[in-house]
Amino acid sequence: GAGVSQTPSNKVTEKGKYVELRCDPISGHTALYWYRQSLGQGPEFLIYFQGTGAADDSGLPNDRFFAVRPEGSVSTLKIQRTERGDSAVYLCASSSEPGVSYEQYFGPGTRLTVT
Amino acid sequence: AQSVTQLDSQVPVFEEAPVELRCNYSSSVSVYLFWYVQYPNQGLQLLLKYLSGSTLVKGINGFEAEFNKSQTSFHLRKPSVHISDTAEYFCAVSDGNYGQNFVFGPGTRLSVLP
Repeated sequence: GAGVSQTPSNKVTEKGKYVELRCDPISGHTALYWYRQSLGQGPEFLIYFQGTGAADDSGLPNDRFFAVRPEGSVSTLKIQRTERGDSAVYLCASSSEPGVSYEQYFGPGTRLTVT
Repeated sequence: AQSVTQLDSQVPVFEEAPVELRCNYSSSVSVYLFWYVQYPNQGLQLLLKYLSGSTLVKGINGFEAEFNKSQTSFHLRKPSVHISDTAEYFCAVSDGNYGQNFVFGPGTRLSVLP
């Protein structure tokens, strides 16, 4: 079956602009995660959805970052007033119900470059 | 808060040699442990995981890892590496809850030399 997909694969934007990054999880996976991976680092947790609700958004760095998952499937990560420090690869992952499997399936990521 | 240490940022090794990538974690409570691999320009792929049971876990591509609770370690090993194993390897730990409690280490870049 299809894996996790993310669009766009690359996004270049100017400082101060607004961007949206999309994640399409594996069908039937109720849990969805966003991570940010800076160069030479491991993925850093941003937000976790269980269904439509954000179960844990403690990793969002500030109020310029926001994510939604209105129908419990596709999710959009939104970044307002982008800064050069936001440049990174943004990873999305999905998994099935907690307690069934703890494996997270990752998408290929969106490389965001803020100029 | 949990943390994961991968002491070796880079590990060069010759083809067909054995390799060990080290991972230590901070939590003293029950944990679940994972190794992920990231090939160039690709997403992370699960190599293996420890949830419970036998402390020696076998994964894909001939990799295995051993959970050592007393040393809070989960080192990854392969007896004979191939050029195709060149990639970034990430250790991760979870306390069984999702979200912020799923923590990745900084990664180890394995370079297999001919």
